[in-house]
Amino acid sequence: DQQVKQNSPSLSVQEGRISILNCDYTNSMFDYFLWYKKYPAEGPTFLISISSIKDKNEDGRFTVFLNKSAKHLSLHIVPSQPGDSAVYFCAAGYNAGNMLTFGGGTRLMVKP
Amino acid sequence: EPEVTQTPSHQVTQMGQEVILRCVPISNHLYFYWYRQILGQKVEFLVSFYNNEISEKSEIFDDQFSVERPDGSNFTLKIRSTKLEDSAMYFCASRIHTGELFFGEGSRLTVL
Repeated sequence: DQQVKQNSPSLSVQEGRISILNCDYTNSMFDYFLWYKKYPAEGPTFLISISSIKDKNEDGRFTVFLNKSAKHLSLHIVPSQPGDSAVYFCAAGYNAGNMLTFGGGTRLMVKP
Repeated sequence: EPEVTQTPSHQVTQMGQEVILRCVPISNHLYFYWYRQILGQKVEFLVSFYNNEISEKSEIFDDQFSVERPDGSNFTLKIRSTKLEDSAMYFCASRIHTGELFFGEGSRLTVL
């Protein structure tokens, strides 16, 4: 089941530059999308979300873009910091209280 | 800041043994979830629980698994007869109604 897919298993970026993490989905019922950050041996930590009525949501250094026609979302981190190095998961869901489906994750490495 | 807490952090068990993983969700949250992540794989949904009953479950959540909210604070996942392939990180999560899931730190289960 590949309803949510992150095609890049890893991404390496220089400190201060932009990190762009991508996510594609197939289920057109999804109406709520989230990005989580995960460090080893810890639970996923919520970063930012977007509902399907919007195409952009910004929170500090993090911006999520949603392209519904392409069934694609992306997370932009500007400027990237070494502490951002982690695995980033996108997740999608529909209906209040329903489960989230996660992508496979992208490991981001921000080099000083 | 309120958080989801899980115990134990790590459990080692013999194949065929019963295991109970415990979670204390955030106190005013209404929806509760169990997810798992097998090493190197994606975070997978197991079950969601609302109003003292299972609201949704995945194919992974077969009759070897059960969940319970025995009192007003705990939310448990029981695996009746563990198999080697049950070895994973198990994450409990909760949400108030809509919006993001808040995850615990996870319980690592190792089945020998």
